[in-house]
Amino acid sequence: QQPVQSPQAVILREGEDAVINCSSSKALYSVHWYRQKHGEAPVFLMILLKGGEQKGHDKISASFNEKKQQSSLYLTASQLSYSGTYFCGTTGLGSNFGNEKLTFGTGTRLTIIP
Amino acid sequence: NAGVTQTPKFQVLKTGQSMTLQCAQDMNHEYMSWYRQDPGMGLRLIHYSVGAGITDQGEVPNGYNVSRSTTEDFPLRLLSAAPSQTSVYFCASSYASGPGNTIYFGEGSWLTVV
Repeated sequence: QQPVQSPQAVILREGEDAVINCSSSKALYSVHWYRQKHGEAPVFLMILLKGGEQKGHDKISASFNEKKQQSSLYLTASQLSYSGTYFCGTTGLGSNFGNEKLTFGTGTRLTIIP
Repeated sequence: NAGVTQTPKFQVLKTGQSMTLQCAQDMNHEYMSWYRQDPGMGLRLIHYSVGAGITDQGEVPNGYNVSRSTTEDFPLRLLSAAPSQTSVYFCASSYASGPGNTIYFGEGSWLTVV
């Protein structure tokens, strides 16, 4: 089943922070985060695996709460280059384990204005 | 670094025509897949392959055919194009199909069926 992302769209001023949420109705093993700019391919940001971990690089980080079956992506001190659509993809447990079972959300459109 | 290469980038087809979208990767990845992306729908898996000679159906396989004769190539064939197949198609690959493996996307192929 497709994960649900929220918000669907957000507009921020440069320097502000953003949180994008990804929720699933099924137990999760992994959460993938990607950013896609208009007319381009999705670009990998990070993967979080079962175990309730948190990851981050530069000013972009994410958390994975397996009990709540959700992940959040945090963008701090946003830059113009952060604009784009952010997708989460999830895989479940058991037979829903591998990348072939990766199911993507419908995306969150982030617009950063000067 | 070529990564995942797709051709053609843009294509217009008439209803009923057939065509092949080409995909090649130079990273020696075992796992390859095809997604389609439609407005508001996110990325949906069409077909995937976990190695040469092995293919399987994804979420939306109808009207498409694939084969994997080499590790590098994974072409997607549209058998008899329909307007419902107007979409952006992304080829993707990862080292293996396990959920901790990063998926790398090609630049996309924009297909219009009239």
